[in-house]
Amino acid sequence: AQTVTQSQPEMSVQEAETVTLSCTYDTSESDYYLFWYKQPPSRQMILVIRQEAYKQQNATENRFSVNFQKAAKSFSLKISDSQLGDAAMYFCASPKGSQGNLIFGKGTKLSVKP
Amino acid sequence: DVKVTQSSRYLVKRTGEKVFLECVQDMDHENMFWYRQDPGLGLRLIYFSYDVKMKEKGDIPEGYSVSREKKERFSLILESASTNQTSMYLCASSSPALGYRNTIYFGEGSWLTVV
Repeated sequence: AQTVTQSQPEMSVQEAETVTLSCTYDTSESDYYLFWYKQPPSRQMILVIRQEAYKQQNATENRFSVNFQKAAKSFSLKISDSQLGDAAMYFCASPKGSQGNLIFGKGTKLSVKP
Repeated sequence: DVKVTQSSRYLVKRTGEKVFLECVQDMDHENMFWYRQDPGLGLRLIYFSYDVKMKEKGDIPEGYSVSREKKERFSLILESASTNQTSMYLCASSSPALGYRNTIYFGEGSWLTVV
C-alpha cells in the first residue's frame, strides 16, 4: 500500500534558527511530484514547495528547501531563518494512482519560539 | 489565483439530520476532492470526482455521498449525520492536465459538529 510517513508529530524551533521536518513515502509511480503543504491556525492549506522526482536538484522556495533522496524515498523540508509565521501544521504528500489524487502524511505541528 | 470556496466554515447539526457541504472552484479544474481531517490522523480522502457526474470512493466513504452536477461544484452529503462525523472537512480541486505537477488547491475548510 502506498504510504506517507511523518515521524515527528511535533517540532519546535527558535526564531531565526533552522528546522528540518522529515517525510518518507512509498509510491509505485515512476514519474511523480512530491509536495509539502502548510496549514496555519486559520486552517487554509497552502502549497509550500514541490519536487519533481526525476530531477536530482533539490527544490528551493525562498527560505524553504527540500532534501530529496529518491533511493531512500525520503523527502524532508528544511526551513531556514524560521519566523513566527511559520508556525503551522506541515503535511507531506505523494501521488496516489494516476488521476491526480495525493496521499498525505499525518502532519507535523511546528511551533516557533520568539 | 485558484479559489476554492466552501459555503460554511462552521456548522452544528443534530444526529440524524441530512447535511450538505458545498464547494465551488473557479479554475475550471476537472478534479475535485473531499477530505476529512482529524487530529493525529491527517487527511483522509472521502470521495473524489474527475469529471461531471463521475465519482470515485476514497478511503473512508461510508456514511457519505457526493454530487457533481456542474464542473465547478462538488457537494458532500451526510445522509444521516452521526456524532462520529464531527470533524473538519476540506474540499480541494486540481487539474490533471498538468500531469504529475498536479497541485491540489484547498478551500478553507468546514468545521462540522454533530450533537
